[in-house]
Amino acid sequence: AQTVTQSQPEMSVQEAETVTLSCTYDTSENNYYLFWYKQPPSRQMILVIRQEAYKQQNATENRFSVNFQKAAKSFSLKISDSQLGDTAMYFCAFINQGAQKLVFGQGTRLTINP
Amino acid sequence: EADIYQTPRYLVIGTGKKITLECSQTMGHDKMYWYQQDPGMELHLIHYSYGVNSTEKGDLSSESTVSRIRTEHFPLTLESARPSHTSQYLCASSEHLPYTEGELFFGEGSRLTVL
Repeated sequence: AQTVTQSQPEMSVQEAETVTLSCTYDTSENNYYLFWYKQPPSRQMILVIRQEAYKQQNATENRFSVNFQKAAKSFSLKISDSQLGDTAMYFCAFINQGAQKLVFGQGTRLTINP
Repeated sequence: EADIYQTPRYLVIGTGKKITLECSQTMGHDKMYWYQQDPGMELHLIHYSYGVNSTEKGDLSSESTVSRIRTEHFPLTLESARPSHTSQYLCASSEHLPYTEGELFFGEGSRLTVL
């Protein structure tokens, strides 16, 4: 079965610090896509960053970057210079190429403290 | 912000009532999904659709039903609500294109409380 595991249920850091959220996944496929989604309190879930498995270069979106280790099936999210607005639930997810459904992890609740 | 809308945002009803949660998107997306999420917990896919007149059950068994008569509309119905249905319901949509696989656009959610 395809699974996504986020081993950190909750994390808390001070504003401006860097924080890394962990994610591991399990698939027997070679071509797939990985995602981090952000769900702020009482607001819409939005896509933060996306990584294609065939790309060796780690994706970056402003303060957000990933560390994609394909052999280890690891996909961590690094948030640099964290801001209060980064406080949210973060979900790791993946989908095999051509598959029908996204597989989500359990989520990590991240709190940025002033 | 994404053009996908859910109503009502909050609903408190009594046991046995019939309810319909509405979801509409203006992006012309073929794929639409319903997820159930308890507060601060993981998402569970309960229904999905790949186009008009196409609906499938998701990974989590649900007593709810859905319909897809129009591309933009994907309502979820509970014929007889029970306290165990209390949860947040998230609607999402995506394009049916390879390079956008997995990119979901979510609504703000409908928080249902059944007394």
